[in-house]
Amino acid sequence: TQLLEQSPQFLSIQEGENLTVYCNSSSVFSSLQWYRQEPGEGPVLLVTVVTGGEVKKLKRLTFQFGDARKDSSLHITAAQPGDTGLYLCAGAPLEGPGTYKYIFGTGTRLKVLA
Amino acid sequence: KAGVTQTPRYLIKTRGQQVTLSCSPISGHRSVSWYQQTPGQGLQFLFEYFSETQRNKGNFPGRFSGRQFSNSRSEMNVSTLELGDSALYLCASTTYPTGAATGELFFGEGSRLTVL
Repeated sequence: TQLLEQSPQFLSIQEGENLTVYCNSSSVFSSLQWYRQEPGEGPVLLVTVVTGGEVKKLKRLTFQFGDARKDSSLHITAAQPGDTGLYLCAGAPLEGPGTYKYIFGTGTRLKVLA
Repeated sequence: KAGVTQTPRYLIKTRGQQVTLSCSPISGHRSVSWYQQTPGQGLQFLFEYFSETQRNKGNFPGRFSGRQFSNSRSEMNVSTLELGDSALYLCASTTYPTGAATGELFFGEGSRLTVL
């Protein structure tokens, strides 16, 4: 069974601080996505990383896919209250394209205090 | 364009009853997948449909079933409800990928089921 462990589970920080969320697995994924979910809503895609070692930046968010495609990290610089939410990583198994049996991580609940 | 629509948004059932949840995908999206979200287990994959065929299935008992209609709308059914079925059920749609592209899942707001 493929599992994605996220850490930390909960994070409460002050506005302006930096943070990193980790997503780890013993399995290899063909790609990895990060979603953010706000209360009462479904998850919304932030980024997709496909190549081992890939780094993508989205304004204050930096995403990295591990070289072995087993892990990923999300770094937020100068966090803002609007970053508050549940962050989920999701791995696409190696079964090939068209297989939407994504494995979701356990989630990291972030709260940024003003 | 309109997003993924799920109905009902909230419902309360008692043990032993059955429930049917509905999902209307984004126009043009032919793949619909269902996930169960609980505080303890997180988001877990239930099943995925494409062109009225179930392509993938998660590790859930046979009480959980689904189907997709010719207009891509999908329904999921849970029979003989148990307390542990209380959860947020999320539906996601996506376009069929080409090549090695990994598609984005567009989620609805979910149907929150409470089993008493």
